[in-house]
Amino acid sequence: GAGVSQSPSNKVTEKGKDVELRCDPISGHTALYWYRQSLGQGLEFLIYFQGNSAPDKSGLPSDRFSAERTGGSVSTLTIQRTQQEDSAVYLCASSFASLGEAFFGQGTRLTVV
Amino acid sequence: LAKTTQPISMDSYEGQEVNITCSHNNIATNDYITWYQQFPSQGPRFIIQGYKTKVTNEVASLFIPADRKSSTLSLPRVSLSDTAVYYCLVGPMGFQKLVFGTGTRLLVSP
Repeated sequence: GAGVSQSPSNKVTEKGKDVELRCDPISGHTALYWYRQSLGQGLEFLIYFQGNSAPDKSGLPSDRFSAERTGGSVSTLTIQRTQQEDSAVYLCASSFASLGEAFFGQGTRLTVV
Repeated sequence: LAKTTQPISMDSYEGQEVNITCSHNNIATNDYITWYQQFPSQGPRFIIQGYKTKVTNEVASLFIPADRKSSTLSLPRVSLSDTAVYYCLVGPMGFQKLVFGTGTRLLVSP
């Protein structure tokens, strides 16, 4: 597709279950970002992938959160043993970094009940 | 990345010009200034980017003084659909981690 695609668009899960959120970046974009946004709040940086470099994981809130990017394209954000405070919209973005413009997906709204 | 400070919120009316100022006193020589717009229930969208003086596109203008310690996003003749959160980011071009602040929540009223 032409834009960043995220799936699922909505996810409701029970507390304690694991979830996987998927991001398909724009083809050819070398940089990929994950953010979390709670209701009415700003964007919280989670993790950043750039090419084949080691990812910047400095924003991951706990060891329950992990992310990988396979083949420099698709990325999966995994949250283990979900908690109610994990409820938020998870946004993915990609960029052809040298141009400095990031394109965002529509997000995955995660609700932990 | 340089720390940025911008107003938490602003109110305006349709047809007015809106100027949102961002302070970035610690901007580095190779840093660029980028603004994003976020509508409710959507991801942010790139608006404009500049390094110095003035940049204009079909959406907005960006004014950057000579010392580059601040910048002003100017939205001409706003409409209700310009109601959004506007984020100012400062950092080097390319291969950068994008860190968003709290942004400025603009409310445009009839």
